[in-house]
Amino acid sequence: KQEVTQIPAALSVPEGENLVLNCSFTDSAIYNLQWFRQDPGKGLTSLLLIQSSQREQTSGRLNASLDKSSGRSTLYIAASQPGDSATYLCAVENQGGKLIFGQGTELSVKP
Amino acid sequence: DVKVTQSSRYLVKRTGEKVFLECVQDMDHENMFWYRQDPGLGLRLIYFSYDVKMKEKGDIPEGYSVSREKKERFSLILESASTNQTSMYLCASSFALNIAKNIQYFGAGTRLSVL
Repeated sequence: KQEVTQIPAALSVPEGENLVLNCSFTDSAIYNLQWFRQDPGKGLTSLLLIQSSQREQTSGRLNASLDKSSGRSTLYIAASQPGDSATYLCAVENQGGKLIFGQGTELSVKP
Repeated sequence: DVKVTQSSRYLVKRTGEKVFLECVQDMDHENMFWYRQDPGLGLRLIYFSYDVKMKEKGDIPEGYSVSREKKERFSLILESASTNQTSMYLCASSFALNIAKNIQYFGAGTRLSVL
């Protein structure tokens, strides 16, 4: 059974710092991996999707990498801003279109 | 922009009531999903549908049913609400199964309290 783990559970950094969020999964037979952002009390917003054949995806200050063989993904946020404060979730998609989510990393960026 | 709309942001219901949560998407997506999100347990899939009138059980279907009579609408039904169904409910949609870039788009969520 696929399990997705995110470390750390919470992270607090000063504004301007570069940071890395980690995601690991137990079954490497994935279709893709997605990173989402969730603001308090709100739904999820898709940030990046990495297909299983890809190694990384970039969007603005965000860069996500995927190492399928080792079951790991990282989300790199450059020059963090207070507006980046949110919970970040990773999810893997197996065959059949179902996503399995990690528990999330709660990020706080202090001004 | 894809829009997934959930009919209520907050709901308060009594134990034993029949509860309908509605979700509508405007992008002609094939797939629709219902999740619940609880502290410490993360997001868990309740049911999903990959076509009109089709449904598949997720990881925690007990106590729930769904209806998809039209492609754009996916309803979650709590036949007899119980206090352990107090949660945040999230609806999502995606284009189709087994395509490489299959982003799921989420609604804003419905926070349901069962008293």
